[in-house]
Amino acid sequence: GAVVSQHPSWVICKSGTSVKIECRSLDFQATTMFWYRQFPKQSLMLMATSNEGSKATYEQGVEKDKFLINHASLTLSTLTVTSAHPEDSSFYICSATQRQAYNSPLHFGNGTRLTVT
Amino acid sequence: GESVGLHLPTLSVQEGDNSIINCAYSNSASDYFIWYKQESGKGPQFIIDIRSNMDKRQGQRVTVLLNKTVKHLSLQIAATQPGDSAVYFCAESWGTGKLIFGQGTTLQVKP
Repeated sequence: GAVVSQHPSWVICKSGTSVKIECRSLDFQATTMFWYRQFPKQSLMLMATSNEGSKATYEQGVEKDKFLINHASLTLSTLTVTSAHPEDSSFYICSATQRQAYNSPLHFGNGTRLTVT
Repeated sequence: GESVGLHLPTLSVQEGDNSIINCAYSNSASDYFIWYKQESGKGPQFIIDIRSNMDKRQGQRVTVLLNKTVKHLSLQIAATQPGDSAVYFCAESWGTGKLIFGQGTTLQVKP
């Protein structure tokens, strides 16, 4: 149980274009989803917290206009990287939890490798 | 964002030996801790968790120790196998539900 699916698993785009990444909870209702970013050989850095039906909360230093997050349903959150540039190339990973499951492990998707050329 | 990472330290062990991976966490208010395993190109995979009212928890071949006095967490893997080779992260949480990841350690298992 508690499967999180992320799509696409990898994407290559040209500089200046936008890319949308989807995160779905397959067998539970995810009232909260988290988006992380990971550079090679580094740790996961939390970008934002996404709550169903409300605006995302961004971590300090993360541009909300560049990384648009939408959490329109209890099973889907999307991250759109707008006007992507090569420095946005990274591994983006989502995770999901149920509201009632405070202090229980987050379940992670398998990540999306974004390469901006 | 939080938890800016440095390049990961590496622990190299012989197959069959026990491994101990250490983590220093940052927030004394943290009340929930998780160890994750991450293989190349994949998302983190849950290994074991522990709440702040405990100092030790055991799973299958794994044990987590928590020392709140010095804000230290460790993961012990018994009889390490080649399939255990991966990057291991500790993560902490307090009140908000969001997880903040630690630096991470690369575990290499030599056959």
